Amino acid sequence: GEDVEQSLFLSVREGDSSVINCTYTDSSSTYLYWYKQEPGAGLQLLTYIFSNMDMKQDQRLTVLLNKKDKHLSLRIADTQTGDSAIYFCAEGSNSGYALNFGKGTSLLVTP
Amino acid sequence: EAEVAQSPRYKITEKSQAVAFWCDPISGHATLYWYRQILGQGPELLVQFQDESVVDDSQLPKDRFSAERLKGVDSTLKIQPAELGDSAMYLCASNPGTGDREQYFGPGTRLTVT
Repeated sequence: GEDVEQSLFLSVREGDSSVINCTYTDSSSTYLYWYKQEPGAGLQLLTYIFSNMDMKQDQRLTVLLNKKDKHLSLRIADTQTGDSAIYFCAEGSNSGYALNFGKGTSLLVTP
Repeated sequence: EAEVAQSPRYKITEKSQAVAFWCDPISGHATLYWYRQILGQGPELLVQFQDESVVDDSQLPKDRFSAERLKGVDSTLKIQPAELGDSAMYLCASNPGTGDREQYFGPGTRLTVT
């Protein structure tokens, strides 16, 4: 499928905000997702946003979507050591619902 | 809370051997996916089922991989013969297929081919 690009690593201090960025190329994407994967585990859905929205907030998570630039970001407020994981951005279209994932951003939260 | 079940969690096999993975989706979920995740990469779709029918298997290496979902419930993914490059995490996911956009993932099967 089309490319979904993410930066590979991000390191932040506990209590700071984290911002993970993602760009996608498929203009037909209608839903954009953020998943979290801890070592050796499956994927946990964090949140998703419909392409006609530009922002979604859920507790400590804020998703921003710039559809014109095909740019998606995930902001984690008050980042905790338990947030250390790999975060995947994914795009989905209306047909089939199968997701196209980026390579993941490894977030390290230091005390 | 209902979950997607997968077994085994870990599998070590020698190259040229056959290996099979099993997935039980959340009850009532019509759509089932198998993804492969190579270390350091994001998951990539191998095959998608709607009930017992294959919807998309364009990325499934059909010379060695096969997948079935005979009764539209649980599913089996088979590799025969396994190759070194098949070492990866195999993830199963399901979706109600009724417009719900959430894909629910199982814990995965970690395959190591020696």
